[in-house]
This record gives sequence, structure tokens and C-alpha cells, in this order.
Amino acid sequence: QKEVEQNSGPLSVPEGAIASLNCTYSDRGSQSFFWYRQYSGKSPELIMSIYSNGDKEDGRFTAQLNKASQYVSLLIRDSQPSDSATYLCAVRGYGQNFVFGPGTRLSVLP
Amino acid sequence: GAGVSQSPSNKVTEKGKDVELRCDPISGHTALYWYRQSLGQGLEFLIYFQGNSAPDKSGLPSDRFSAERTGGSVSTLTIQRTQQEDSAVYLCASSLWDSQETQYFGPGTRLLVL
Repeated sequence: QKEVEQNSGPLSVPEGAIASLNCTYSDRGSQSFFWYRQYSGKSPELIMSIYSNGDKEDGRFTAQLNKASQYVSLLIRDSQPSDSATYLCAVRGYGQNFVFGPGTRLSVLP
Repeated sequence: GAGVSQSPSNKVTEKGKDVELRCDPISGHTALYWYRQSLGQGLEFLIYFQGNSAPDKSGLPSDRFSAERTGGSVSTLTIQRTQQEDSAVYLCASSLWDSQETQYFGPGTRLLVL
């Protein structure tokens, strides 16, 4: 069974710090990796997607992928209280369904 | 709008009644997904469609749950003889059919079974 694991948190960081969110997955055939942010009572919204090993940066967000270690992470620099949300890691193999992790709850303290 | 839409936004029903939840995907998206999210929980995969066919129904929790999609567009999720444990937010998402394509989520239907 394909699995995606995340620490449930809560992860608390002070405003302005770097928040590091981690995700591991079991299926070595996975090809696409996504980070979604979900505010309480809202639907998930895409933050980042990454497909190749290495880092991908978009503004304050950096996604890191290591397929050999089956590990993907999301770094949030200069964390803001508005970043407080649950972050969902999603993984997909070719022609396969998306598998979501349970999410990590992030709290950025003013 | 150009996003995924779902209706109704909220549904309150009595135990034992049937409910139908509707999803309108983004135009041109061939893949459509249904998920369930209970309060404070992660996303539970239910079913996905590629066009009108459902290659993966593995997530449907029981035979009370069924879904269909017609014309490669609108999808309906039906729950028969609802139970209190069916209370959750039902989320629909769509994507272009490609291994690298992103899912875009609708606002969800909040179902409460009394």
C-alpha cells in the first residue's frame, strides 16, 4: 500500500524564522510531488510542485526532493502568522492516483 | 468562475436518507477526484475518474457509496442510507490527465447526518 507520512505537529516557530516541513513516501515509482496548504475550514490550495531531485524555490517557499531517500520537504523562510495552517504533502506516480499525507499543522507565533 | 465548483455547500440530512453531492470540474480537466475529510483529519481518497470511467474505486468505504460522471464533466457522489459516521466535508478536485498535473480543489460540501 502506497503511503505518505508526515509529522502531525503542531510545529511552532516564531515569526521570521524558517519553518521546515518533512514528508516521506513509500512508492519508489512516484514521480510528482506537491505541497498544499489548508487553512482551517477551507479547501487545500497548491503551494509548490516538484518533479526532479534538488531544490525548487518560489518566493519564501523552497521545496526539496530526494528520490533516493524518498523524502520531500518544504521550507518556509521569514515565516508569518498568516502561514499558520496545515500543510499537506501529496505524491503521485505515473497514471496513478494522488496519495496525501495526514498533514502537518504549523503555527507561527507573533 | 473557472474553478471547481461543488453543490450544495452544506447539507444536513437525517440518518437513513440518501444524499447526492455534485462536482463541476474545471473545463477541460479529464481527471476528477473525490475525497472525504473528517473534522481535524487528513484527506481520505474515495474515487477518481479518468473521463467517465473510474479506474480506481478502492477508497469507497462501503457499497452505500457510489459515484458517476457523465460527459466527461459533472460528477455526482451518492451516499445511500446515510449514517452519522458519514458526516464530513466531501471535497472534489480535478486535474489535466498528466503525471505532473496539479489537482485543484473545490470548496467542498459539508455533510451533517443527524
